[in-house]
Amino acid sequence: GAGVSQSPSNKVTEKGKDVELRCDPISGHTALYWYRQSLGQGLEFLIYFQGNSAPDKSGLPSDRFSAERTGGSVSTLTIQRTQQEDSAVYLCASSFGQLKQPQHFGDGTRLSIL
Amino acid sequence: LAKTTQPISMDSYEGQEVNITCSHNNIATNDYITWYQQFPSQGPRFIIQGYKTKVTNEVASLFIPADRKSSTLSLPRVSLSDTAVYYCLVGPGGNTPLVFGKGTRLSVIA
Repeated sequence: GAGVSQSPSNKVTEKGKDVELRCDPISGHTALYWYRQSLGQGLEFLIYFQGNSAPDKSGLPSDRFSAERTGGSVSTLTIQRTQQEDSAVYLCASSFGQLKQPQHFGDGTRLSIL
Repeated sequence: LAKTTQPISMDSYEGQEVNITCSHNNIATNDYITWYQQFPSQGPRFIIQGYKTKVTNEVASLFIPADRKSSTLSLPRVSLSDTAVYYCLVGPGGNTPLVFGKGTRLSVIA
């Protein structure tokens, strides 16, 4: 069946530009997560959506980062005025409602800031 | 959040059983223990989850002692394709999403 889909798979942009990363979760999954993974590092939590509740934005590193989830499905992570330290792989995951439920990950968007 | 400690790396030969231990001394009563596997250029993949004693599926076994302050992921007869990073997570801590550490990098050698 269809898994979590992320697009684009790779994105190269110049410093200072805005970027949008898209995540299509598994149908029926009410929870959606965004993570960031730098080379050789673990996953850094960014933001968590659960149903119609207010998102948990506690992991967003700065106000240049924002995310939306429209209609409880597709999510977009936006990074404004990108900096070189934003270069990383951005991973999206979805799961059924409860936090203990296994997360299903996409293969990420590799973002490179020149 | 319950913090976890696991070895940074491990090496094993093909065909051997591999045991990766994770310490989580301050695990809470309502916390579960979950393990993920990550291959290069892919997102993590759920392997197994448990609360106490032993859980087994087609991929691995998870052993959890009575005090639940540690857990051991057991991979039977590993192959080269089991080379990956393995993450141990403990939670949920209330309404906060689980925290992924740096994991254990397993290298399987022919």
